[in-house]
Amino acid sequence: EDQVTQSPEALRLQEGESSSLNCSYTVSGLRGLFWYRQDPGKGPEFLFTLYSAGEEKEKERLKATLTKKESFLHITAPKPEDSATYLCAAGGGSQGNLIFGKGTKLSVKP
Amino acid sequence: DSGVTQTPKHLITATGQRVTLRCSPRSGDLSVYWYQQSLDQGLQFLIQYYNGEERAKGNILERFSAQQFPDLHSELNLSSLELGDSALYFCASSGSGRSYNEQFFGPGTRLTVL
Repeated sequence: EDQVTQSPEALRLQEGESSSLNCSYTVSGLRGLFWYRQDPGKGPEFLFTLYSAGEEKEKERLKATLTKKESFLHITAPKPEDSATYLCAAGGGSQGNLIFGKGTKLSVKP
Repeated sequence: DSGVTQTPKHLITATGQRVTLRCSPRSGDLSVYWYQQSLDQGLQFLIQYYNGEERAKGNILERFSAQQFPDLHSELNLSSLELGDSALYFCASSGSGRSYNEQFFGPGTRLTVL
């Protein structure tokens, strides 16, 4: 069964304390791994797409990486405004649509 | 701002009723996707339309239906509403019919069924 699992469910960091969020996937025929940021009560905001193992993408304090079984979202020196839920989604699988994980809720304290 | 618009922002209704949610995709995008997000289930794909035609179906209940009009806006119809249908409903759009291209999400409609 196609599945995307994110860990941890919640992460509390101090401002400036770097960390990583994990997204593991079991999807046949992966066609892309997507990262989104979602603020409370708002729609997910697109961050990155990764297509092949070894690929990396960066945006400000965020860097996404991809292996054959998982993806990581590394957050370097986070700020309070980075607090949000981060969703990953795998494209492909038996239905050919995006399969979302349940997200990691990140809280960054000043 | 993703360029995807959804109306209404909030909707409160009673069990057994029917509601219609509306979505306008980003300019130039041909695909519209509908998702349901509840607290315990996360984002669940419901249905995709591409240039007016149904392209893919996910876990959409038979009480729910959707369509995409010639101007590419889409409507999601929910009928015989139950308490469990209370959720955030998002639409997303993309430029192609392939769902594994980037999808851009609207602000959502919060549905409360009392």
